Amino acid sequence: AQRVTQPEKLLSVFKGAPVELKCNYSYSGSPELFWYVQYSRQRLQLLLRHISRESIKGFTADLNKGETSFHLKKPFAQEEDSAMYYCALSTSTGNQFYFGTGTSLTVIP
Amino acid sequence: KAGVTQTPRYLIKTRGQQVTLSCSPISGHRSVSWYQQTPGQGLQFLFEYFSETQRNKGNFPGRFSGRQFSNSRSEMNVSTLELGDSALYLCASSSPPAAPLHFGNGTRLTVT
Repeated sequence: AQRVTQPEKLLSVFKGAPVELKCNYSYSGSPELFWYVQYSRQRLQLLLRHISRESIKGFTADLNKGETSFHLKKPFAQEEDSAMYYCALSTSTGNQFYFGTGTSLTVIP
Repeated sequence: KAGVTQTPRYLIKTRGQQVTLSCSPISGHRSVSWYQQTPGQGLQFLFEYFSETQRNKGNFPGRFSGRQFSNSRSEMNVSTLELGDSALYLCASSSPPAAPLHFGNGTRLTVT
């Protein structure tokens, strides 16, 4: 069965410190992985997807099929990065997404 | 382009009642999906519609149903409401299918 696990509900880092939000998945096929972010009082929005292989707002994520992970990283956290982050998996059979339970990131000034 | 619009923003209902939530997708998006968001469970998939057909359904009881109209607008209905149905219900649209989701602001349903 498809499953996305985000082991940390809460994560606090100091401004300027590196940050890594963990995401592990289970899926027997070839998944598409995404990171979505929800800033305070804003709607959930796409941050990045693995097939784009791009850096958005300084964040990157690499799909590691061997470890079935898709961790989100940023070398220097900023206060505006404080938000709720969701890892999501999309299967190849239509438009069904599986979300992790989310990690609330707080960047301490 | 206007974003995904969900109405109403807030609803308060009593146990046993039924409720209908509405979603207007981004113009041109034919896939609409619904999610239930709760603090404990995160986002859970309810169902997805494409061209008026339900293509996928999550593990929710039959009290949860939906439909999509020819203009891609979608409605979600919950009958015989239970206290546990209190949640934020999110609608998302995408195009083409399997593309990233664009979310609405959600409808916050409170069941008393």
